[in-house]
Amino acid sequence: QSALTQPASESGSPGQSITISCTGTSSDVGGYNFVSWYQQHPGKAPKLMIYDVSNRPSGVSNRFSGSKSGNTASLTISGLQAEDEADYYCSSYTGSSTWVFGGGTKLTVL
Amino acid sequence: QVQLVESGGGVVQPGRSLRLSCAASGFTFSTYGMHWVRQAPGKGLEWVAVISSDGNNNYYADSVRGRFTISRDNSKNTLYLLMNSLTAEDTAVYYCAKGPWALSYPPLYMDVWGKGTTVTVSS
Repeated sequence: QSALTQPASESGSPGQSITISCTGTSSDVGGYNFVSWYQQHPGKAPKLMIYDVSNRPSGVSNRFSGSKSGNTASLTISGLQAEDEADYYCSSYTGSSTWVFGGGTKLTVL
Repeated sequence: QVQLVESGGGVVQPGRSLRLSCAASGFTFSTYGMHWVRQAPGKGLEWVAVISSDGNNNYYADSVRGRFTISRDNSKNTLYLLMNSLTAEDTAVYYCAKGPWALSYPPLYMDVWGKGTTVTVSS
């Protein structure tokens, strides 16, 4: 159950687009279309942003989108806003009723 | 609205036990799989355990298997995590989280999270 690999930090200016990567293996990200993404503001609980690789829950802005290619999943945030500054975590089902998270990416809006 | 409220955290000595609770409301608790996820200070999220809606299936991360037990009381709309043989590495905020689909297993992601309860293991 090794953690998925995410960049420690990303940054962008308001209005720009940024993409956060999440790299795993064929046993997790590459093996299942069950990648999810969570946003966490400091001192707050995580919030689901994307599920099943590319689906957005009701109420999540369409500026957030997800994709996957091989063993790497990606979260793209377009039209960056100050409120998007937060930590972002990917997660994947790994089979046999276990899950793994990425190490998290701190997004800074310049 | 859907709400999850964790409780039971605190300061505990190494080697001791602690039981966390998660009170659920706003949905039919007995039909959803549930997770526990933790976050050590300044660290990322770590999946801990999952339980099916009927409580008959439960699975654990390698780091806690054999020491932690997840359970639920559907008559009380409450999820539990019994933690034994605690070490400093178990110090974290513990979140309970709800699976997305009723009567579906496994709960493939976490669609609603509680605010967490803090566990500190220290002598």
